[in-house]
Amino acid sequence: DVKVTQSSRYLVKRTGEKVFLECVQDMDHENMFWYRQDPGLGLRLIYFSYDVKMKEKGDIPEGYSVSREKKERFSLILESASTNQTSMYLCASSLVGRGLEQFFGPGTRLTVL
Amino acid sequence: AQSVTQPDIHITVSEGASLELRCNYSYGATPYLFWYVQSPGQGLQLLLKYFSGDTLVQGIKGFEAEFKRSQSSFNLRKPSVHWSDAAEYFCAVGAEYGNKLVFGAGTILRVKS
Repeated sequence: DVKVTQSSRYLVKRTGEKVFLECVQDMDHENMFWYRQDPGLGLRLIYFSYDVKMKEKGDIPEGYSVSREKKERFSLILESASTNQTSMYLCASSLVGRGLEQFFGPGTRLTVL
Repeated sequence: AQSVTQPDIHITVSEGASLELRCNYSYGATPYLFWYVQSPGQGLQLLLKYFSGDTLVQGIKGFEAEFKRSQSSFNLRKPSVHWSDAAEYFCAVGAEYGNKLVFGAGTILRVKS
């Protein structure tokens, strides 16, 4: 069965902290994605990666960076967390050539105080 | 640019009643269309997808959707709603051979007994 896992379900951080959100998939997928979900706005793409060490900005990359050192792992980094980054973060993965058929993790609800 | 509109933020239906959730998209070429469901505290699960062919597609959990090119719509339907269908539903559109999905803002479905 397809599996995308995220390191934390809930996370509370303070303004200015560096935050790492981790995502792991066990499906040997080439593509991995980070989305942010906010009420009334749906899901918005932050970054995606189509291969190890390769990344592309999504629609709202400001304030975020990503790292993909291994095929199965994709990290989202908030260099200096701010209160407006309080949100639900969802990771997804897909096969190359079937990029739109994305499998999602359970999400991490991040609160920045 | 692609966009998706889900006109209804909240919908309440009685258990056993029929359901239709609306989705309108904007995209210049042939769209690839998806419906996802998110149960409380969970990630997104794919309900169904349309790529080409028969414009009426069947999905999991008894859901179906109809693609109407002339109306730029992809509405989700279920003939008889169960209490377990209470969740948030997202419509999404993507481009052929693309990787990026654009999501609507979501519709929250409440089921009353």
